[in-house]
Amino acid sequence: QVQLVESGGGVVQPGGSLRLSCAASGFTFSSYGMHWVRQAPGKGLEWVAFIRYDGSNKYYADSVKGRFTISRDNSKNTLYLQMNSLRAEDTAVYYCAKDSGGTRLDYWGQGTLVTVSS
Amino acid sequence: DIVMTQTPLSLSVTPGQPASISCKSSQSLLHSDGKTYLYWYLQKPGQSPQLLIYEVSSRFSGVPDRFSGSGSGTDFTLKISRVEAEDVGVYYCMQGIHLPPTFGQGTRLEIK
Repeated sequence: QVQLVESGGGVVQPGGSLRLSCAASGFTFSSYGMHWVRQAPGKGLEWVAFIRYDGSNKYYADSVKGRFTISRDNSKNTLYLQMNSLRAEDTAVYYCAKDSGGTRLDYWGQGTLVTVSS
Repeated sequence: DIVMTQTPLSLSVTPGQPASISCKSSQSLLHSDGKTYLYWYLQKPGQSPQLLIYEVSSRFSGVPDRFSGSGSGTDFTLKISRVEAEDVGVYYCMQGIHLPPTFGQGTRLEIK
């Protein structure tokens, strides 16, 4: 069965950096695009970034462009999100999600909490 | 960006009764390939979102047939024919026709 397991969350000071990972299993990781979606405490869902199956194209929300970098290692079945210059408003649970085509996010991980606070 | 507007924002339903959630998009979600990229997700308390409906009306694997989706263009509806206790949570619509994908504000369903 499809499994997505995020890790790397934690508490970081404003201006700091963090790298999130998403370990995938149960499907051919290298064949699917992947997304990061976040949810601030008590708020709704906000799309963050997308990477194509082969890493050839990457897309970002305006709110994170220039600060976050999405990447993947298909040999390790792992998705990453490098987050730099973190702000308080980046505090959220970050989910990775598999895209089965047409931006159909069919499987989501359990999420990892990022808290940006001094 | 495409704006997704859900109504109502909260719903309280007696078990066994129907429920309906509306979702309107600021632009048509009909693609030139003939598909309409509108999705419905349910986030149960303490869990990650789960896909219920894709491309307006197709139920995802394992989703009970009491859930149904309908609509076209910019107006969409999720219906639950008979609400059960396990249906509590927040329902989101999402458009996937244009990047960035955007979500509705969410509709919280509670059981009376």
